Amino acid sequence: DAGVIQSPRHEVTEMGQEVTLRCKPISGHDYLFWYRQTMMRGLELLIYFNNNVPIDDSGMPEDRFSAKMPNASFSTLKIQPSEPRDSAVYFCASSFLGLGNQPQHFGDGTRLSIL
Amino acid sequence: DAKTTQPNSMESNEEEPVHLPCNHSTISGTDYIHWYRQLPSQGPEYVIHGLTSNVNNRMASLAIAEDRKSSTLILHRATLRDAAVYYCILRATSGTYKYIFGTGTRLKVLA
Repeated sequence: DAGVIQSPRHEVTEMGQEVTLRCKPISGHDYLFWYRQTMMRGLELLIYFNNNVPIDDSGMPEDRFSAKMPNASFSTLKIQPSEPRDSAVYFCASSFLGLGNQPQHFGDGTRLSIL
Repeated sequence: DAKTTQPNSMESNEEEPVHLPCNHSTISGTDYIHWYRQLPSQGPEYVIHGLTSNVNNRMASLAIAEDRKSSTLILHRATLRDAAVYYCILRATSGTYKYIFGTGTRLKVLA
């Protein structure tokens, strides 16, 4: 079975440019999570969706960040305009039902570098 | 959210058992204990979870203290491929479905 698929794997862009990160969750999973990982702050939850609806976006750092889930098989995380401090590894994860005993399945991440 | 405390780093010799501890003294009765590991340049990978009883799977065993205020992840025979950061996380059964990741334990396996 295919796991969570993220694209691109690496992204290098200049400050001020728009960045779009993509995620395809595991088929049948109804929860989708976006995380960011940096050396300074570790793994942080940015936002999560249930049945394509955003439930908690309290981790989104600024209005420059936005996330959408137009259907059950696709989600995007957009940064506009990007800044050097946004450089990090961004992970997408999905789970079934979101219950306490259900694990989250993570993608391999997108390594973002803003110059 | 209930917090967990783990040692920053541990070392083990290859093919020896490894016991990774986690303290969670503020755990509530409905919190599951989840363990994940993160290998270099990869996303976190689910290892095991439990509620009250000890659990075994093909990857590891989870020993949960009777008062549930601590747990131990047991790798029965460490291999070089087990070198990773191991995270212990509490997950509520209702309300929020967030994981709050701590700093984890970096396991080094010596050949």
